[in-house]
Amino acid sequence: EVQLVQSGAEVKKPGESLRISCKGSGYAFTTYWINWVRQMPGKGLEWMGRIDPDDSYTDYNPSFQGHVTFSIDKSISTAYLQWSSLRASDTAMFYCARLPKAGEGFDIWGQGTMVTVSS
Amino acid sequence: DIQMTQSPSSLSASVGDRVTITCRASQYISTFLNWYQQKPGRAPKLLIYAASTLQSGVPGRFSASVSGTDFTLTISSLQPEDFATYYCQQSSTTLPYTFGQGTKLEIK
Repeated sequence: EVQLVQSGAEVKKPGESLRISCKGSGYAFTTYWINWVRQMPGKGLEWMGRIDPDDSYTDYNPSFQGHVTFSIDKSISTAYLQWSSLRASDTAMFYCARLPKAGEGFDIWGQGTMVTVSS
Repeated sequence: DIQMTQSPSSLSASVGDRVTITCRASQYISTFLNWYQQKPGRAPKLLIYAASTLQSGVPGRFSASVSGTDFTLTISSLQPEDFATYYCQQSSTTLPYTFGQGTKLEIK
């Protein structure tokens, strides 16, 4: 079965660092972009950016650039989203999603990781 | 950024109704438009890609079309499981990818 499985919910304090993960299975991990999407409580979907698992090339949404970092460990088919200093406004659900290189829509999504940042 | 304007933002309908949701792009994006369905507490699900191609496994009551920069998602006969929030998304070569604000489809 083709799937993306994300790490579990996190509760952090402002200023703390965090890395969440997204593990692909059932397909050739390096042949699809991994995208990250934010959904703040009760709000819509926001594209944060994407990473090419083959060469770690990244495209960041300017709205998120400088605040988050994407990375890949090809050896374990896992993508990461990390923050060095969390803010309360980072409280949201974060999804990873697969995109074929031909760009035919995000066809497989992770189940989401809820991040809560509160003092 | 390319703005995607969805309408309506919410919609009440009954089982068996035909419903249409529209999405307008702020500039030409060819057919780089996708539609997603999201149910509460769940990840989004791809319904339609490339403006009008049905994703594998999606029921045939879902269809979509394009005219210029106007995109339409149609559900021909609403089923109980279709009540959800629907998003359009542009995936053209002009980054960032952007989503519409969503249309919440509720039971009348």
